[in-house]
Amino acid sequence: DAKTTQPPSMDCAEGRAANLPCNHSTISGNEYVYWYRQIHSQGPQYIIHGLKNNETNEMASLIITEDRKSSTLILPHATLRDTAVYYCIVRVAEGGAGNMLTFGGGTRLMVKP
Amino acid sequence: GAVVSQHPSWVICKSGTSVKIECRSLDFQATTMFWYRQFPKQSLMLMATSNEGSKATYEQGVEKDKFLINHASLTLSTLTVTSAHPEDSSFYICSARRSATYEQYFGPGTRLTVT
Repeated sequence: DAKTTQPPSMDCAEGRAANLPCNHSTISGNEYVYWYRQIHSQGPQYIIHGLKNNETNEMASLIITEDRKSSTLILPHATLRDTAVYYCIVRVAEGGAGNMLTFGGGTRLMVKP
Repeated sequence: GAVVSQHPSWVICKSGTSVKIECRSLDFQATTMFWYRQFPKQSLMLMATSNEGSKATYEQGVEKDKFLINHASLTLSTLTVTSAHPEDSSFYICSARRSATYEQYFGPGTRLTVT
């Protein structure tokens, strides 16, 4: 899997948008960008993924740059319950030995009242 | 859909004993399951990949004789920590990959404390 770089921590005010950046400059053409988050003492939770187009679901939006070397996860209206560690991961979507999710350090997002 | 359960959610055992952790995919089939370990304030580290009906593949540095993995069905994988020691105390998380879509779903984790 290509490596990703994320800031170790970020703060966000409750109700404001949280923009979490991720750098993946060595991403391959067949690799997707996945975002997961982990709330304290729980298993990771899937948020969103994309290949090259921007994606949006009920949880977040994913903006991928045209060269695919970086992306931004946007939580449009952060709440206290969004406080978690957010992981940006790149991997191919199909099966195979190298298809497992490999976690880096992630970004610890603290949403403050 | 796509629910993965783990049992137990937490366990305390004495040094030298063995502990079994179960991982189940409740509403989908998972040919492949993954086992991760997470120490406090650290990221998840992949321990092994478990394939139904075959031997697990362990990551470098993970002792296969200490961490026994059995994936006997398409919905169940077990991790047995044998002769546990205090340094094995950790948060163990399993993940199941849906056979049809290759998407990976995580269990809630099991907190193991060895005294």
